[in-house]
Amino acid sequence: TQLLEQSPQFLSIQEGENLTVYCNSSSVFSSLQWYRQEPGEGPVLLVTVVTGGEVKKLKRLTFQFGDARKDSSLHITAAQPGDTGLYLCAGAFGNEKLTFGTGTRLTIIP
Amino acid sequence: DAGVIQSPRHEVTEMGQEVTLRCKPISGHNSLFWYRQTMMRGLELLIYFNNNVPIDDSGMPEDRFSAKMPNASFSTLKIQPSEPRDSAVYFCASSPIGHTQYFGPGTRLTVL
Repeated sequence: TQLLEQSPQFLSIQEGENLTVYCNSSSVFSSLQWYRQEPGEGPVLLVTVVTGGEVKKLKRLTFQFGDARKDSSLHITAAQPGDTGLYLCAGAFGNEKLTFGTGTRLTIIP
Repeated sequence: DAGVIQSPRHEVTEMGQEVTLRCKPISGHNSLFWYRQTMMRGLELLIYFNNNVPIDDSGMPEDRFSAKMPNASFSTLKIQPSEPRDSAVYFCASSPIGHTQYFGPGTRLTVL
């Protein structure tokens, strides 16, 4: 069974601060996705990374895929209250089935 | 375009009763997924279909759970009989070719 561990599990910071959350596995992903989930809604895809070492930017969010394709990070610059939510990474291991991580619950305090 | 539609949004039932959750995927999507989300176990894949055919049901917890996809625009997840430990939010997601999955709003199930 492939497991994806996310850290930290909970994070609460002040508006304007920077933060990084992590997603780690002992297995190699064929691709990795990051989702954000808000209360009462389903997860929404933010980004997909495929190539080892790949970096993608989405406004204030920067996603990095590890060189060995076993880990990933999400960095948020100048966090805003609208960034509050549950951040989930999800790994694909060769087929269309995704394995989701344990999640990081982020709270941005105004 | 409408996204993935799930019904009901909330369901409260008593232990032993049958529960049926419904999902309408996005038109044109080939794959459909059923997930269960709890605080303790996170988001778990229960089963997924490709072109209406079940491909992987290894996540279905017990024989009490069953899922069908009679056509490309409808799927059901049934629990019979339901138990309190089945209480969770159940999500349906659909996907075109590739890995991008589009989730519905979920059904919050409470079994008393």
